[in-house]
Order: sequence, then structure tokens, then C-alpha cells
Amino acid sequence: DAGVTQSPTHLIKTRGQQVTLRCSPKSGHDTVSWYQQALGQGPQFIFQYYEEEERQRGNFPDRFSGHQFPNYSSELNVNALLLGDSALYLCASSFGGPALEQFFGPGTRLTVL
Amino acid sequence: DQQVKQNSPSLSVQEGRISILNCDYTNSMFDYFLWYKKYPAEGPTFLISISSIKDKNEDGRFTVFLNKSAKHLSLHIVPSQPGDSAVYFCAAITQAGTALIFGKGTTLSVSS
Repeated sequence: DAGVTQSPTHLIKTRGQQVTLRCSPKSGHDTVSWYQQALGQGPQFIFQYYEEEERQRGNFPDRFSGHQFPNYSSELNVNALLLGDSALYLCASSFGGPALEQFFGPGTRLTVL
Repeated sequence: DQQVKQNSPSLSVQEGRISILNCDYTNSMFDYFLWYKKYPAEGPTFLISISSIKDKNEDGRFTVFLNKSAKHLSLHIVPSQPGDSAVYFCAAITQAGTALIFGKGTTLSVSS
């Protein structure tokens, strides 16, 4: 049973560029949440997708956007990258919308130069 | 303003002894509290949770205690093992909520 998978593992971009990160949820899960973990900090909620719609959003600017596909996989897009966007981006999946138990993927390490 | 606080960045314990990790919160609307463990190059893994209507939950070597009046919870690991060495995150969520609110984490090192 495959867990949550994320791609790519690592990514290096320069300021002003755009990036797309991908996530496949755990088998049987239909809800995907994205978190940003900066160095020395805990994960911070970006947004959650359920039934292909953004259900809730954290305190992140509009430069952060996402999408969920019919197969429940999801993308996180970040435009006009800033140095401060350098972080580990974690995807978590769950079943049936808002859920207590969320399963996390290994993350994508984004470095912005 | 941080709603979930883990004030100890690190903790060192000897194998076989008890590890106590602490967490404070400010939002009285939280309904559940969770502990996650994270190894390098892996995502956080759920460890144990507790409902706000309980004051203790136990699972094997792991016990979480909740003191609602003090807005404080703690995770006890007994006995500690070298494989427990990891970063431990305290998190909270409201019943109607979607987002897990995490603390900054505590790095536990268990020496043999």
C-alpha cells in the first residue's frame, strides 16, 4: 500500500521564477493538504483540497495556488519566488475532508537562490 | 502569534529513562491534540493523540497528559530507546477545523 508520495525530492530555483510541486495521496484518501516547514519551525498550513476545491486556506499570499485532479493527486504552485520561500513543502492526505488523522509525505526541499 | 508552543528546542535522555516533552497552547477552542515524530528526510508520522475531554491517553510506551486549566500537555516516553531519537512536534486542531497547528518541535536524543 503506497503512502503519500511527493515529487521532486529537491528543487533549486532563482528569485522570480515559478515552481510546481506534486503530491499523490495515500491509497483510498481523497483530501490533500499542503504545509510549509521553514528551517527551525514547525509545519505551517497552506491550504487543503477536497473534491477538487480549495476548502480552507492558511495565511499565505496569492502567489501560492493549488489544484486537485480527479484522481485526487494535487499540485502546489508558487509564483514570483522569494528567498523566504525556501523551505520543506509537505503534503498530507486524509479521507473525507477535514480529518484528525493526516498522513504526511517525505516533502520537497525547495531552495530559492 | 504562536498558538502552540514547544519551549524546549532539545532534550537529551539516557536509554531506559523517561523522556518528557512539553507543549503549551493558547487557543481554548482546540478539540484535539496530537504528537508527531519526524526523522530526517521523512515526513512527520502520527504518534498519539488526545481529545480535549480527556486528561490522559496511553499507547504502549507513549502517554500523553492534558491539563486544560493550564493549557499544557506533555508526552511521556517510558522507557526511552535510541530509536526514539527524532524531532517531536506537538499539534492541535479544532473539531471543525482542517489545519493542524504545529509547534516548532523538540529534538529528542536518546543515548545508549
